[in-house]
Amino acid sequence: NAGVTQTPKFQVLKTGQSMTLQCAQDMNHNSMYWYRQDPGMGLRLIYYSASEGTTDKGEVPNGYNVSRLNKREFSLRLESAAPSQTSVYFCASSVGTAPYEQYFGPGTRLTVT
Amino acid sequence: QKEVEQNSGPLSVPEGAIASLNCTYSDRGSQSFFWYRQYSGKSPELIMFIYSNGDKEDGRFTAQLNKASQYVSLLIRDSQPSDSATYLCGGANYGQNFVFGPGTRLSVLP
Repeated sequence: NAGVTQTPKFQVLKTGQSMTLQCAQDMNHNSMYWYRQDPGMGLRLIYYSASEGTTDKGEVPNGYNVSRLNKREFSLRLESAAPSQTSVYFCASSVGTAPYEQYFGPGTRLTVT
Repeated sequence: QKEVEQNSGPLSVPEGAIASLNCTYSDRGSQSFFWYRQYSGKSPELIMFIYSNGDKEDGRFTAQLNKASQYVSLLIRDSQPSDSATYLCGGANYGQNFVFGPGTRLSVLP
């Protein structure tokens, strides 16, 4: 049982490049989330998908887009990367929105130069 | 703006002592609270959740919730060096998204 998987683990981009972070879960969870974590800032929600077919903005959505491809997969796209998007990105999933606990993937460390 | 606040630490305790981690939240509508542990370079992992006022115990961990004071805490008894990590507190209202605090870094000294 893999839980939540993310690819890639590490990525370096130049300013203006684009990329997609992939996330998949095998727990049959309805809800999926993308967070970024910066030093001293905790986890900040970028986008979430409460259920298959729906996506909504979180606290810091600017510069990102998401796609809930199916129940298992939720991708995060950076259309034109900026140095301010250097961060560690975590995908998470849960049975449903609160109060259900969230389970996190291993993270993607992204550096934008 | 819904906020969850934590002392960033580091909180240092000797091995075998009780570590007390505290969290306050601004949203009076928050109903559920979670404590996650995050080792350096790793992803957060769930330790405990609490929904009701009072104490909830799980092994060496006790979560305490006081909704009137908007306060939630985590006690770690018999602290071990392996407990050294950052502890994230998160809260949410039903059907809404979690708001996480910045985390408290705990260091357990052998």
